[in-house]
Amino acid sequence: GESVGLHLPTLSVQEGDNSIINCAYSNSASDYFIWYKQESGKGPQFIIDIRSNMDKRQGQRVTVLLNKTVKHLSLQIAATQPGDSAVYFCAVSITGGGNKLTFGTGTQLKVEL
Amino acid sequence: DAMVIQNPRYQVTQFGKPVTLSCSQTLNHNVMYWYQQKSSQAPKLLFHYYDKDFNNEADTPDNFQSRRPNTSFCFLDIRSPGLGDAAMYLCATSRDRALKDTQYFGPGTRLTVL
Repeated sequence: GESVGLHLPTLSVQEGDNSIINCAYSNSASDYFIWYKQESGKGPQFIIDIRSNMDKRQGQRVTVLLNKTVKHLSLQIAATQPGDSAVYFCAVSITGGGNKLTFGTGTQLKVEL
Repeated sequence: DAMVIQNPRYQVTQFGKPVTLSCSQTLNHNVMYWYQQKSSQAPKLLFHYYDKDFNNEADTPDNFQSRRPNTSFCFLDIRSPGLGDAAMYLCATSRDRALKDTQYFGPGTRLTVL
C-alpha cells in the first residue's frame, strides 16, 4: 500500500515570498508524483508532475523536487501571489499500480498581503 | 475547450433516497474515475472504468455503483444515501490506465443528505 503525508496542515506566506510545501511517501515502489491545487468548492487542478527517473522539474513559477532516498517530495512556488491561496495535494502512483493515485492529506496555503 | 463536466454542481437528497451524479468528458480519455472527498480531507478513490472494464476499490461500500454507457459519460449511483455519504464527489479522467499520466478533474458535485 501507500500512505502519503504532508508536513504542515497550514502554511502562511507573505505575497512575493517563495512557498515550499512538503510531502512524504512511504512506498519505495512509487514512480509517479503529481501536485494538485484545489481552490474552495472546485476540483483539483493539475500543477506539475515528476517521474521517478528525475529529481527536479520546473514549470511556470513552480518547481518540484523529488528525493527518492528519503521518500520526500516538495513543491516550490516562486513569488507567491494571492491567487495561489488554495489547498495543495501531492498524489503518488506506484509501479504496477496502473494510474491509481494515492493523495496526501493536503496543505492549506494562505497568502498574506 | 476539452474538459470534464459534472452535473449537477450541488445535489440535495433525502436519507435513503437514491441519487445519480453525472460526469461527461470531451477529452476522449479511456479511463474515468470517481472520488469521494469529505470536508478537509483528501480525495478517496471509489472506482474507475478502463474503457468498459469496471474496477472497484476494495473498501468502496456496495451502496455505491457506477455505469459507463459510452466513452464520454460516467454515472455514480448511490442506492441508499446515508448522512455519512454527504461529500464532494469528483470525477476524473486519464488517457490510459497503463500510462503514468495526469488525471484531469471535474469541478465536483457537492452532495447534501437530509
